Amino acid sequence: GAGVSQSPRYKVAKRGQDVALRCDPISGHVSLFWYQQALGQGPEFLTYFQNEAQLDKSGLPSDRFFAERPEGSVSTLKIQRTQQEDSAVYLCASSPGPFQGNEQFFGPGTRLTVL
Amino acid sequence: AQSVTQLDSHVSVSEGTPVLLRCNYSSSYSPSLFWYVQHPNKGLQLLLKYTSAATLVKGINGFEAEFKKSETSFHLTKPSAHMSDAAEYFCVVSDLRNNNDMRFGAGTRLTVKP
Repeated sequence: GAGVSQSPRYKVAKRGQDVALRCDPISGHVSLFWYQQALGQGPEFLTYFQNEAQLDKSGLPSDRFFAERPEGSVSTLKIQRTQQEDSAVYLCASSPGPFQGNEQFFGPGTRLTVL
Repeated sequence: AQSVTQLDSHVSVSEGTPVLLRCNYSSSYSPSLFWYVQHPNKGLQLLLKYTSAATLVKGINGFEAEFKKSETSFHLTKPSAHMSDAAEYFCVVSDLRNNNDMRFGAGTRLTVKP
């Protein structure tokens, strides 16, 4: 496809369950970002990949959050032992590279609800 | 670290009247600035961006924004609002020294009355 895709679009988990969220960036895009958007808030940065290297994970809220991009394309955000405060929309974005002013292209997001 | 402050959480205008959405930024380096729009149940869409070229930036759907370094502002304007402009608007700052990760404002919800 032409854009960033994410799956699943919706996920309901019971507290304590592990979840995995997938992001397919635009083909050839070097940079990949994950954001968390709580209800009524702006997206907040979680982590950044340049190809397969995770260069910044300063936004991950706890060690229950883990992201990977092993082959420099598809990325997975994993949340272990989910808590209610993890309920949010998780957005993935990609861009051609780490150049000044590069636009990020966003996927539709995965809405996670933890019961 | 860079950050943005959107001065209004909600703006309401009548159709056909001007729109002003305010944004102030903080950045220790030469920033790139963006405005994104988010319609309900849709993804974020880029309206316009500033990257140290012309300070008056024109975007899609008749929106424009002016970068004012002395005021550290990047306000979004449109001369005449349409009903279809009703959405959430985010001002965003990034800088190359921080891997271009974007720092979003809290958003401004624009309501357009008929």
